[in-house]
Amino acid sequence: QVQLVQSGAEVKKPGASVKVSCQASGYTFTGYYIHWVRQAPGQGLEWMGWVHPNSGGTKYVHKLQGRVTMTRDTSISTVYMELSSLKSDDTAMYYCTMSSSPRFDYWGQGTLVTVS
Amino acid sequence: QSALTQPPSASGSPGQSVTISCTGTSSDVGGYNYVSWYQQYPGKAPKVMIYEVSKRPSGVPDRFSGSKSGNTASLTVSGLQAEDEGDYYCCSHAGSDTYVFGTGTKVTVL
Repeated sequence: QVQLVQSGAEVKKPGASVKVSCQASGYTFTGYYIHWVRQAPGQGLEWMGWVHPNSGGTKYVHKLQGRVTMTRDTSISTVYMELSSLKSDDTAMYYCTMSSSPRFDYWGQGTLVTVS
Repeated sequence: QSALTQPPSASGSPGQSVTISCTGTSSDVGGYNYVSWYQQYPGKAPKVMIYEVSKRPSGVPDRFSGSKSGNTASLTVSGLQAEDEGDYYCCSHAGSDTYVFGTGTKVTVL
């Protein structure tokens, strides 16, 4: 079965960077986009961008361009999301999600990033 | 890229229907038939309930239906059940391979 397993919670200082991983299993890793979505405490979902594991191609939401980098390591079926110059309003649960069409089918368990 | 607009809350008694709207622009909701809806319980990851405006993934009850008119998409939950209580988010393709979520609606079963 499809599984996305994310790395553990992180606590960072303002100005630091964080790198969250998402390891996929149960399907052909290189065949499907992986998107990142975040949710601040008590707030709604925010789409951050995607990486295509086959080509390494990326697309980011405009407001995060210059601070976010999404990469992949096909040898271990893992994608990464790195966010730099962290601010307090980057405190959120970060989810990776796999899309097989214009929908987000499978989700990781989430990684809480706290900036304080 | 502004969030799509949803009502903050919606409610209904068991067995009734509730409809949630999702209003965007011609650059997102109105421009593509790529609107999806997600259900989220507290502390859990979202789950897709509707995709491509009105299609249901396997396993999603047919009580859930979607539609779109112009720049507004809608999710209807018919025959409301206690387990339908949660937060619902719409999402739309927004051009150039980008996506935007709605502001979210909390559904309460009275």
